[in-house]
Amino acid sequence: AQSVSQHNHHVILSEAASLELGCNYSYGGTVNLFWYVQYPGQHLQLLLKYFSGDPLVKGIKGFEAEFIKSKFSFNLRKPSVQWSDTAEYFCAVKGGNNRLAFGKGNQVVVIP
Amino acid sequence: DTAVSQTPKYLVTQMGNDKSIKCEQNLGHDTMYWYKQDSKKFLKIMFSYNNKELIINETVPNRFSPKSPDKAHLNLHINSLELGDSAVYFCASSLGQGARNSPLHFGNGTRLTVT
Repeated sequence: AQSVSQHNHHVILSEAASLELGCNYSYGGTVNLFWYVQYPGQHLQLLLKYFSGDPLVKGIKGFEAEFIKSKFSFNLRKPSVQWSDTAEYFCAVKGGNNRLAFGKGNQVVVIP
Repeated sequence: DTAVSQTPKYLVTQMGNDKSIKCEQNLGHDTMYWYKQDSKKFLKIMFSYNNKELIINETVPNRFSPKSPDKAHLNLHINSLELGDSAVYFCASSLGQGARNSPLHFGNGTRLTVT
């Protein structure tokens, strides 16, 4: 079964700073990759997804992620964060068993 | 028009009680899930149903019993609640159990507090 690791669980940064959240997965086969965001007190929402094709994926709200197959990574980036980006971010991987495995999340706090 | 709706949003109850959480989706999806999010925000799948058939049943105490009367509904019944059951429970749905590229759509969650 696939597993997902997210590092730096707590990230604090100022507005306009750049954000990068790491995501590594363990699964040798074809995967589908997702980033979800959970704003305070809300449910999870899909930020972006990768199925195939261009490994650089653009999502909503200025986020992008890059799939690097050789590194089993799918890191999330945003060049300039806003206070409203304060949230929990979850990387998720779906492998051959069609189960969606989530990482433990990154808690991001953006200071105005 | 909420796509995946759960009720109630908050549930506070005492140990030993039996409670249910309801979930309905109007997206036309055929696969529904229950996830548990603990105090550390870790999300763990509990159950998944495809067209009313149980397809994923993780290591969950048998006090938890999902019921899917039709593919648009997946309810979760919990017997003899324990303190450790306190968490946020998320319902989700997706299209096609075999469709690996179908993202999950989540409900707003039910915050269960057992006292």
